[in-house]
Amino acid sequence: GQSLEQPSEVTAVEGAIVQINCTYQTSGFYGLSWYQQHDGGAPTFLSYNALDGLEETGRFSSFLSRSDSYGYLLLQELQMKDSASYFCAVFMNTGFQKLVFGTGTRLLVSP
Amino acid sequence: EAGVAQSPRYKIIEKRQSVAFWCNPISGHATLYWYQQILGQGPKLLIQFQNNGVVDDSQLPKDRFSAERLKGVDSTLKIQPAKLEDSAVYLCASSFPSGPYEQYFGPGTRLTVT
Repeated sequence: GQSLEQPSEVTAVEGAIVQINCTYQTSGFYGLSWYQQHDGGAPTFLSYNALDGLEETGRFSSFLSRSDSYGYLLLQELQMKDSASYFCAVFMNTGFQKLVFGTGTRLLVSP
Repeated sequence: EAGVAQSPRYKIIEKRQSVAFWCNPISGHATLYWYQQILGQGPKLLIQFQNNGVVDDSQLPKDRFSAERLKGVDSTLKIQPAKLEDSAVYLCASSFPSGPYEQYFGPGTRLTVT
């Protein structure tokens, strides 16, 4: 089986930096994806890490440490529109490739 | 580029009734997924298709759920008979076979079973 752990909720103010952590346990690990989902909306892809290190895409960055089975999503210069749920998802191969989502972290950005 | 289309957007049925959801993936995406998302949880994979073949349906409650993808494009997911615990959002997603880590989701169907 597999397990993923994320904090259930994180709060921050506009302009701040926030880090959302994700720890995982799984076999057949290929990489870690991150998705954003606004209330009532569909999940949208943010980033994917297959190798150790930091990937930067605008205000968002994602980090992976395969040896620690740990990753995080870093959001900089927070804006009100960043209030959403953020899911980490392990990309794995157990005979076929699939994505398994965590329970999500709800980010609340206040003025 | 058109996104993943789903219909209906909302559905309310009574328990023991049947319901069907439709999905049209992004053109060229050979892999199609159906997820169930219960409020406050992450999407849970129900079934994954590669073209019109089933790759994984290990979490599909086969006594009441069925899905098909005829001609490797559109797909339908059916529930018969529905139970109260089936109340959830049903999400369809698609991806290129080479990139299942990057999936494109439709708007979902919010199902309420009363």
